[in-house]
Amino acid sequence: DIQMTQSPSSLSASVGDRVTITCRASQSISSYLNWYQQKPGKAPNLLIYAASSLQSGVPSRFSGSGSGTDFTLTISSLQPEDFATYYCQQTYSTPHFGQGTKLEIK
Amino acid sequence: QLQLQESGPGLAKPSETLSLTCTVSGGSISRSIYYWGWIRQPPGKGLEWIGSIYYSGSTDYNPSLKSRVTISVDPSKNQFSLKLSSVTAADTAVYYCARDGRTPYSSRGGWFDPWGQGTLVTVSS
Repeated sequence: DIQMTQSPSSLSASVGDRVTITCRASQSISSYLNWYQQKPGKAPNLLIYAASSLQSGVPSRFSGSGSGTDFTLTISSLQPEDFATYYCQQTYSTPHFGQGTKLEIK
Repeated sequence: QLQLQESGPGLAKPSETLSLTCTVSGGSISRSIYYWGWIRQPPGKGLEWIGSIYYSGSTDYNPSLKSRVTISVDPSKNQFSLKLSSVTAADTAVYYCARDGRTPYSSRGGWFDPWGQGTLVTVSS
């Protein structure tokens, strides 16, 4: 099983901040890495697929990078609606999600 | 616009079988090149992929749940279903269905999009 470790587990930030969330795979997964945003009581929403491709309709302030074992999700300028929990997911082998990063308002 | 909707009992008894159905609208399961999947999320916890199915009936299951999971498809109703046997309190979760972007031509890649709204299933006597 390929394990996915996100850091940090939680993060406090302010509107307008630049935020980076990291996801590390226990072995190389090439670029088979997706990012999701989940708000309380709602289903996850796909933000980034294949490590760096922006899903249609997702604001351009979201970006993804990385390959192999280390990946990042960056929000260039936090907006009020961005406070949520973010999950990475690998699809190199059995689909597996990271444990999540909760982004809270400072 | 593709939409998915989960349905089924919100309560299951320990040791019994949990059964859910996902109805797809705005697109045809049998005309899709993609898989269709189930994911769950225990209250306050993270996401766990359960398994996925292609319209032909080909399945792929999470090894950790494989012995208890059956996913089936009914293309004529544009539905796919989940059965999880021998449930315990640990199976209490919100269960989501979603389109799984993997195809029969590649076991790697893909992503879950779109998702249903999810349905809470509580395992309790």
